Order: sequence, then structure tokens, then C-alpha cells
Amino acid sequence: TQLLEQSPQFLSIQEGENLTVYCNSSSVFSSLQWYRQEPGEGPVLLVTVVTGGEVKKLKRLTFQFGDARKDSSLHITAAQPGDTGLYLCLAGGTSYGKLTFGQGTILTVHP
Amino acid sequence: ETGVTQTPRHLVMGMTNKKSLKCEQHLGHNAMYWYKQSAKKPLELMFVYNFKEQTENNSVPSRFSPECPNSSHLFLHLHTLQPEDSALYLCASSQVALAGGPSYNEQFFGPGTRLTVL
Repeated sequence: TQLLEQSPQFLSIQEGENLTVYCNSSSVFSSLQWYRQEPGEGPVLLVTVVTGGEVKKLKRLTFQFGDARKDSSLHITAAQPGDTGLYLCLAGGTSYGKLTFGQGTILTVHP
Repeated sequence: ETGVTQTPRHLVMGMTNKKSLKCEQHLGHNAMYWYKQSAKKPLELMFVYNFKEQTENNSVPSRFSPECPNSSHLFLHLHTLQPEDSALYLCASSQVALAGGPSYNEQFFGPGTRLTVL
């Protein structure tokens, strides 16, 4: 069973601050995805990273896949209240049974 | 709007009731999934259907019974549930590549059904 450790579980910050969420495992993954979920809705895909060392940017969000493809991070610059939500990492790939979600990070950005 | 719809959005049922959750995807995907999301656990994959065939059943109790009549529709039939089954049930779809192609199983989720078992 692949385990995916996501941290921190909770993050409460002020508007304008920076933050980083981590997703770590002892297993190697073929790909890793980050999702954001708002209350009352399902998770929405933000990005997929597949290459070790890959960095992807989505406006104020920066995603990085570790060189060994065992870990990933999500960095948000100058957080805004609209960034509030549950952030989830999903690791896996072509094998359905190995789709594993991290525990999630609940982010609250206060105006 | 992700292209995946779920009904009902909210369901309250007794332990002796029988109910069904419905999911429909309008994305032309070939795989569909049921997940359970509860407050104390990460998102749990329950069932996977690929080209209408069930490919995964992650030790889910038999009181949950999935059905996939075609690649666009997925049902979850519920009977004699327990209070601990109360959770958000999410449906998702993805496009899985045919042999030889890359496939990352990017999940497109519906809004979920909030289930409460009394």
C-alpha cells in the first residue's frame, strides 16, 4: 500500500502571506496531482506533475515534483481569501488501484 | 461545472432503507470512480469501472453495490447502511489511455452526495 503524507493538516494565515504545502512518500510515483476542494463541491484538478524536478506555475501557485518523484510541494505567494479551501495531493498513475490521496490541507486565508 | 453530475446532492436515510446514488459524466471518459470522503479519513477510493467493467473493489462492504450500465452512468446502490457510513460520496471520471499511451488518471469530480444515515 502506498502511503502519502500531506502536511500541514491545517493552515490559517493572513491575506498576503506565503505558504507551502507538502506531500511526501517513501514510494516513487509516476505522476502526482494537486486538487483544490471548496465546501459543498468536489475536488478540482489544479496541476499534474510527471517529471522528477519539474516545476509548474499557475498564477500565484507554484508546484514542484521532487527529483526522485517521491514528494511534491505547493507554494502559494501572496495568499488571498479566494485561496481558502481543502488542498489534496493524489499520487498514482496508470494503475487504478494505486490511486492514493493525501490527508488534505485545510487552508484559511483571513482578509 | 466539471462535466460530472451527481444526484441527489443530499440524502438522509434510515438503516433499513434502500437508496441509490446516481452519477453521470458528459466528458466522453472511459473510466468512472466512487470515492468516500469523511471528516476523519483521506479520500477513499471505493470502486473503479473501466469501459463498464469493474476493475477495483477496495474491500468495500457488500451493503454498497455499484452498477455501471454504460460508460457515462454510474450508480451506487445502498442498503442496510450504518451510521458510520455517513459521509460525502464523490463520483469521478477520467480518460484512461489505451495500451501504449500515457495516462495519469486525472480525476474530474462531481459535486458529491452528502449522505446521512440515522
